[in-house]
Amino acid sequence: EAGVAQSPRYKIIEKRQSVAFWCNPISGHATLYWYQQILGQGPKLLIQFQNNGVVDDSQLPKDRFSAERLKGVDSTLKIQPAKLEDSAVYLCASSPPGSNEQFFGPGTRLTVL
Amino acid sequence: KQEVTQIPAALSVPEGENLVLNCSFTDSAIYNLQWFRQDPGKGLTSLLLIQSSQREQTSGRLNASLDKSSGRSTLYIAASQPGDSATYLCAVSEGAQKLVFGQGTRLTINP
Repeated sequence: EAGVAQSPRYKIIEKRQSVAFWCNPISGHATLYWYQQILGQGPKLLIQFQNNGVVDDSQLPKDRFSAERLKGVDSTLKIQPAKLEDSAVYLCASSPPGSNEQFFGPGTRLTVL
Repeated sequence: KQEVTQIPAALSVPEGENLVLNCSFTDSAIYNLQWFRQDPGKGLTSLLLIQSSQREQTSGRLNASLDKSSGRSTLYIAASQPGDSATYLCAVSEGAQKLVFGQGTRLTINP
């Protein structure tokens, strides 16, 4: 069974530029999560989708971050414009129906200069 | 607001020793608790998941315990090996599958 796929793995941009990350969850997993992990900290949930609907986006900085999961499968997270403090690893995870267990992708490491 | 704390932040032990990693949480109304492993530059790998009704879970050399009433969990690693070197993260699950993570313990096993 293929795991959660993310791309790109690394991205370096300058502040005020835009960036987008892509995630493809495990097949059949209805729930998809985006986390932000700043160096030395645990991951923090940004947004949770159930199929193509948003369940929780309370910690998403909506003035600059956006996410979509239009067909209820893969998802895109966008930052526009980026700030220095957005430098972090962005992790995508998914869960199968009826389960609390989350399976994580390898993450995208973003560096904002 | 749920807060998860892991102590110590870093731990270095000789190969072969048994060790314990600690996790505490402030709100006992949790659905489950998970321990993850994170290798440098990689995502998280789930090690053990303890449902709120359970007291412990075991997988190979790993044993995780949960005491909901005191807001504590421990991860016991027996006969540590250099390959166990990684960051270990504890996370509690609240409603709607939301995970709240601790900051992690960076473990180094010295050959």
